[in-house]
Amino acid sequence: NAGVTQTPKFQVLKTGQSMTLQCAQDMNHEYMSWYRQDPGMGLRLIHYSVGAGITDQGEVPNGYNVSRSTTEDFPLRLLSAAPSQTSVYFCASSGRQGASTDTQYFGPGTRLTVL
Amino acid sequence: LAKTTQPISMDSYEGQEVNITCSHNNIATNDYITWYQQFPSQGPRFIIQGYKTKVTNEVASLFIPADRKSSTLSLPRVSLSDTAVYYCLLRSNDYKLSFGAGTTVTVRA
Repeated sequence: NAGVTQTPKFQVLKTGQSMTLQCAQDMNHEYMSWYRQDPGMGLRLIHYSVGAGITDQGEVPNGYNVSRSTTEDFPLRLLSAAPSQTSVYFCASSGRQGASTDTQYFGPGTRLTVL
Repeated sequence: LAKTTQPISMDSYEGQEVNITCSHNNIATNDYITWYQQFPSQGPRFIIQGYKTKVTNEVASLFIPADRKSSTLSLPRVSLSDTAVYYCLLRSNDYKLSFGAGTTVTVRA
């Protein structure tokens, strides 16, 4: 049971490039989400999904796309990278929506630098 | 999402008890109080969650007064490895988590 995995661990992009951050979980969790964390700040929600085929925007969705074709995977796409997207990105998953005792499990993060 | 307020930083020494108080004056009836811990270069890790009164697990205790407008995370006998950022969050049934800047706890030898 690997939990939540993220690839790559580090990535450097040039302005305007696109890329996909990968996230996978093997806990059969319905809920998955993406956060970004800027230096010295807390995490901010980008997008989330409550199940396969269902996604919605979080607090800071601009410049990012997501899809959820399977329960296990929730990739985050940067359409045209900008320096303002330099951050650490965390993926998280949790069990059943509405189950108040369920907690969110976070991946190890992807550190992205946009030049 | 309701907001929480907690101290920016706290210093302690090994073996001491650390208490972090979080204010959440606008907590909703459905909200649970949740605490996460984050080490440098790692994702947040769930510590404890409660609705009212007291909750204890192998890592920490959470004290919640009857009015639920605040809560206190208690870390007993901290060690150097407890140096981390601690986040107090309110979570409702929609699973969205709103993180503030957290409390940086520094444990010294």
